[in-house]
Amino acid sequence: DIQMTQSPSSLSASVGDRVTITCRASQSISTYLNWYQQKPGKAPNLLIYGASSLQSGVPSRFSASGSGTDFTLTISSLLPEDFATYYCQQSYSTFLTFGGGTKLEIK
Amino acid sequence: QVQLQESGPGLVKPSETLSLTCAVSGFPITSDYYWVWIRQPPGKGLEWLGTLYHSGNTDFSSSLKSRGTISADTSSNQFSLTLTSMTAADTAVYYCARRRVVRGLLNYDVIDFWGQGTLVTVSS
Repeated sequence: DIQMTQSPSSLSASVGDRVTITCRASQSISTYLNWYQQKPGKAPNLLIYGASSLQSGVPSRFSASGSGTDFTLTISSLLPEDFATYYCQQSYSTFLTFGGGTKLEIK
Repeated sequence: QVQLQESGPGLVKPSETLSLTCAVSGFPITSDYYWVWIRQPPGKGLEWLGTLYHSGNTDFSSSLKSRGTISADTSSNQFSLTLTSMTAADTAVYYCARRRVVRGLLNYDVIDFWGQGTLVTVSS
């Protein structure tokens, strides 16, 4: 299975900050990388697909990039509703795998 | 509007079999989509369990070690997960979800609709 490693596992930031989360794959996955946001008690929500394409309805303060094994998710200016847990997920293999998650907390 | 709703027992005894059902509304499960089960142990991350393809074929996570099956009931527009030999390590919120291909220069596979999740606790 393809292993996905996210860093950091947790992150404290303030409203208005710019934050970046990193995801690394154990082998090259081209751009077959998705990002999800999950709030407590809720199902995950798709933010980004294909490593850099914004899902419809997702605010433009979210952006992402990368290919091969290294990927990033950036939130340009944090709003209160952005404090959540973020997961990367590879779809290169039909055997899907997720990163361990990055919990974004208010400083 | 697509909606998915999981149902099943909230409590299962060790060694027993778990059966969960996902009722899909707003879209026929025979359409050109895939249907997945994903779980999340309390306080932990997401784990893909398996996929049901519209062909009827399935893929399962190697971590399940052949304990799982996924089947479809097209007449009821629902699909199900069965997991045998349950242990405490299987305690989790179980989600059903829709997986689809976003077609373009490259075809990307995304999970775009999720059920609300159902907590399954394994305990005697």
